[in-house]
Amino acid sequence: QQQVKQSPQSLIVQKGGISIINCAYENTAFDYFPWYQQFPGKGPALLIAIRPDVSEKKEGRFTISFNKSAKQFSLHIMDSQPGDSATYFCATLSGSGSRLTFGEGTQLTVNP
Amino acid sequence: GAGVSQSPRYKVAKRGQDVALRCDPISGHVSLFWYQQALGQGPEFLTYFQNEAQLDKSGLPSDRFFAERPEGSVSTLKIQRTQQEDSAVYLCASSLRRGGAKNIQYFGAGTRLSVL
Repeated sequence: QQQVKQSPQSLIVQKGGISIINCAYENTAFDYFPWYQQFPGKGPALLIAIRPDVSEKKEGRFTISFNKSAKQFSLHIMDSQPGDSATYFCATLSGSGSRLTFGEGTQLTVNP
Repeated sequence: GAGVSQSPRYKVAKRGQDVALRCDPISGHVSLFWYQQALGQGPEFLTYFQNEAQLDKSGLPSDRFFAERPEGSVSTLKIQRTQQEDSAVYLCASSLRRGGAKNIQYFGAGTRLSVL
C-alpha cells in the first residue's frame, strides 16, 4: 500500500564517500517532499525538504534532487561520516497538508 | 522547551489485554499525529488531531484502535483486545500549525508495544 518507493534498502559507504538514496512517488498531488533521519530508539527527525517548484536544494552536506516529470527525488550525502549512520526515510505530504506518507527506509552504514 | 514525550517507552501486553499509550506534545502545538512503525518499515499514519478535534482517523487499522485528545494537548491512543499483529512502535508527532508544507512534525521516541 506504500505510495512511496524507496531504494536501496541498505547502503554501506566508506567515510568521505557519497551516499545516494532514491525515492519514487505516484500521487502528483503531493507538494512537499521531506527526508527524515532516524537513529535507533529515537523518533524520525526532519533532515531536509523540498517543494516541487525547485529541482535541487542543498543544506550543508545534504542535497535533495527533484525530478517532477519522472516523479522521483533523491538524497545525496556528501563526505559521509560515521555519525551519519542511521535509517533514512523519504516522505510526501498529502491530504490537507498534514498526513506524511513514508518510504520503506534505507539503513545507511558509514564505515570509518 | 522539551520535545514530544511518550510514555511508557516499552509496553508488554498479553493477547487480549487493553493498552493505553500517552503522548505529551510540545507546548502550544496545535496539531498532533499518531503513526505506527512496524519493525524495519517506515511509519504509517494512524490519526490526526487539530486541537481537540480528530480530523482524520482513516489510518486506524480497526475499531479496536481509539485515540483522543480531550483538552487539545495530551493525547491517548488506546488499543482494545490487543493482537500479536499490533506489535510495533507507536510514534506521536506534533506541529505548531494546522497544516501545510512548512508545518514541521516533531516526533517523540515512541512506545514499543510487544503483544505476547
